[in-house]
Amino acid sequence: SYELTQPPSVSVSPGQTASITCSGDKLGNKYACWYQQKAGQSPVLVIYQDSKRPSGIPERFSGSNSGNTATLTISGTQAMDEADYYCQAWDSSTRVFGGGTKLTVL
Amino acid sequence: EVQLLESGGGLVQPGGSLRLSCAASGFTFSSYVMSWVRQAPGKGLEWVSSLSGSGGSTYYADSVKGRFTISRDNFKNTLYLQMNSLRAEDTAVYFCAKDLSAAVTSTPIDYWGQGTLVTVSS
Repeated sequence: SYELTQPPSVSVSPGQTASITCSGDKLGNKYACWYQQKAGQSPVLVIYQDSKRPSGIPERFSGSNSGNTATLTISGTQAMDEADYYCQAWDSSTRVFGGGTKLTVL
Repeated sequence: EVQLLESGGGLVQPGGSLRLSCAASGFTFSSYVMSWVRQAPGKGLEWVSSLSGSGGSTYYADSVKGRFTISRDNFKNTLYLQMNSLRAEDTAVYFCAKDLSAAVTSTPIDYWGQGTLVTVSS
């Protein structure tokens, strides 16, 4: 079965750039999306179709996808961005989530 | 405003059954793929099932195939998940979710409900 691999945790200082990776076989041939989930809340879509931002998502969130790796980049990270982030893609009629990355802003 | 309100969660014994419901409003329900995603306590997101707008195409994770059935009533704007032969590992918060488009197997989720907790334990 298809797997998406994320680092368990990423730390970043306020105002700096955070990058969260998601790896999967030939992931660049699929569309990747990213969800943000804050503690005790439902997930929120922050990036879809590799690099598109839904309405209401700040411009500091961006995405890319090439080869075997999709990347979520948060520029000028703020304390409010501290959350779990999940990548997701479709493979053979199966929706696959990455294991999630806990972003700590310190 | 899109709203998704799940109900039907609770405590059930191993081997038992439960039916979850999700009342949807604020969008043309029949035009969108709908999905169920679960999250075990302290764990990550796990896709459970998706269903096309017409209800004619269904998709399941291997972990629930043959035990869970997704369905929808486009007149009542309601999504369902019938869960049979429940196991301890099915214990999770179950989220109802609206997909961004009508294209199953390529669309992300753009709205999530608050979730309903299912606990499988004796």
